[in-house]
Amino acid sequence: GIQVEQSPPDLILQEGANSTLRCNFSDSVNNLQWFHQNPWGQLINLFYIPSGTKQNGRLSATTVATERYSLLYISSSQTTDSGVYFCAVVTNTGNQFYFGTGTSLTVIP
Amino acid sequence: DGGITQSPKYLFRKEGQNVTLSCEQNLNHDAMYWYRQDPGQGLRLIYYSQIVNDFQKGDIAEGYSVSREKKESFPLTVTSAQKNPTAFYLCASSYRVEQQAFFGQGTRLTVV
Repeated sequence: GIQVEQSPPDLILQEGANSTLRCNFSDSVNNLQWFHQNPWGQLINLFYIPSGTKQNGRLSATTVATERYSLLYISSSQTTDSGVYFCAVVTNTGNQFYFGTGTSLTVIP
Repeated sequence: DGGITQSPKYLFRKEGQNVTLSCEQNLNHDAMYWYRQDPGQGLRLIYYSQIVNDFQKGDIAEGYSVSREKKESFPLTVTSAQKNPTAFYLCASSYRVEQQAFFGQGTRLTVV
């Protein structure tokens, strides 16, 4: 099956700093989503971004489908940004989501 | 209020007992999914359904069963055959598999 790798696995930031999270995938995809898992375990939708660039407040994401990667940018980080960030993909021929291993982000005041 | 509802939020089960986790959605989505998450790990697919009365096994289906009798509902039964059932279970739905998926709040199952 498809391999989905996220980097870095862990990230510690000072409040106000910027960061870039990366998601690499090994096959062509027609669906890519970024999620934030909060401390209570709920997965919050951040972006549905199979290609192109989107922005939502301090967060933005870019997917370059031809090169098989996606980036999530967090600017001016806040303590509430802490948690685990997952990307999930569906291949062009598949019918299920494959999740990456996640990036655990800690923002310290 | 539209969305996906999982219940209960916490569940304790004695070893050897079957238990059913509920997942209901009012988003009119065709596809529904069950995932399992172990501490510090990513999500692994248990079962998915793309249409009523049809479902397929995911990567870790052994010891689990599902039904999809109604579009809105996709219950998951954790059977006594599941060797390590203690985990966090998440349900999701989408219009189609290639479209945006939304998750419920999850059920934490503990076997005592």
